[in-house]
This record gives sequence, C-alpha cells and structure tokens, in this order.
Amino acid sequence: SYVLTQPPSVSVAPGETARITCGGNNIGSFGVQWYQQKPGRAPTLVIYYDNDRPSGIPERFSGSNSGNTATLTISRVEAGDEANYFCQLWDTSSGQFYVFGTGTEVTVL
Amino acid sequence: QVQLQESGPRLVKTSETLSLTCAVSGDSAGGNYFWSWIRQPPGKGLEWIGYVSNGGSTNYNPSLKSRATVSVDTSTRQVSLILRSVTPTDTAVYFCARDAGRDFFDYWGQGTLVTVSS
Repeated sequence: SYVLTQPPSVSVAPGETARITCGGNNIGSFGVQWYQQKPGRAPTLVIYYDNDRPSGIPERFSGSNSGNTATLTISRVEAGDEANYFCQLWDTSSGQFYVFGTGTEVTVL
Repeated sequence: QVQLQESGPRLVKTSETLSLTCAVSGDSAGGNYFWSWIRQPPGKGLEWIGYVSNGGSTNYNPSLKSRATVSVDTSTRQVSLILRSVTPTDTAVYFCARDAGRDFFDYWGQGTLVTVSS
C-alpha cells in the first residue's frame, strides 16, 4: 500500500511561514491535495493539483511537489490557521484510490 | 450550495452491522460525481472506505472491501454505507464526501460519530 508521511506537529509564530511536508515514494508523479481540519469540523480543501487554490482560499496558502516530497506553505500565519492539515493523492495502482497522509497539527504560538 | 448530511445510529453493538445514510442537496443530480465514505477514529487520521458513482460503479479500500458496501439512490439523492461485523476499532467519525471526477473531495458532510461497543 502507498504511505504518505507527515510530521506530527509544526509550531509557528504569527506572521511567520509554516511549511508542512508530505513524504511518499515518487510523490512528484502524483497530483497532491491538502485539507485543513479544525476541531470537530469536516476537512476543507485548501490546495488541489499541487498548487491550485479553491475559490475563497487566501493566497497565503501555496503548495509544491517534487521528487519524494510535497509541501504546503502557509505565509504570514494567522491564529485562524491553527488546525490539522492532511495531504491526499489519488492512486489506483495500490487499490487504495484516495490515500491520506498521517496529518500535521499546526500550532500558532 | 452543495450540502451533505450524514445520519444513522450513533451506537452499534459489536459484531452487528453499521448503516449510515448521506443526504445530498444543492448540486446537479445528473453530474459525473463519485460519492465516498471516509472515517476518522478519535484523535487519528482519515481513512477512505469506498465510493459509488452516480452510475453505480463502486470501489473499496482493500482493507475494508470484505465488510463494506456503498450504494446510491439518485432518485432520492441519498448515498448509503453498510459496514458488517463491526468491532470497537470501527469506532470513528464517518464522513461522506463528493469527488466531481477530479480525484479530490470538494464537499464534505459534517460527519457523524459512531461508537461500537458491546
């Protein structure tokens, strides 16, 4: 099965930049999505196809994907960005289809 | 605005069958959509269970394929999940979500917590 590994936690001060990684074998060959999940809420899509933003998502959210690592970057972090973030890709070869990362809790100091 | 709303029993006994329904509203009934069930054990990550298309085709996570069935009734705009022979490890928040044929989920339900206990 295909495994996506994320750091359990990232801490960042307000106004600084948070970078959340998602590691997987040759992940650069896949389109990667990122979801934000606040406590008690459903996930919300913040990045799709590596670096596209749905309408309503601030430009502060951006993504990149190459080699074995995809990265979500949150610039000028705000208190409201505190949440869990999950990466996800579509992989039919493993039979899992929708594969989620392990999740990263972002704490705003 | 597309809305998804899960419903079903909140408590299921060990070895019995979990049954949930997701009511869909606000989108095009004839769209090329794939409806998934995803679960999240308390304090843990997301696990995809399976999907059904509006045309009725299905696929499942290999780890749950033997116990799960996902179906759709396009006339009533409802998506269903059946999970058989449950154990306490099936305790989770269960979400339904939509993929508009783009390999990601653009709309999610609010989720419903199902507890499996003897």
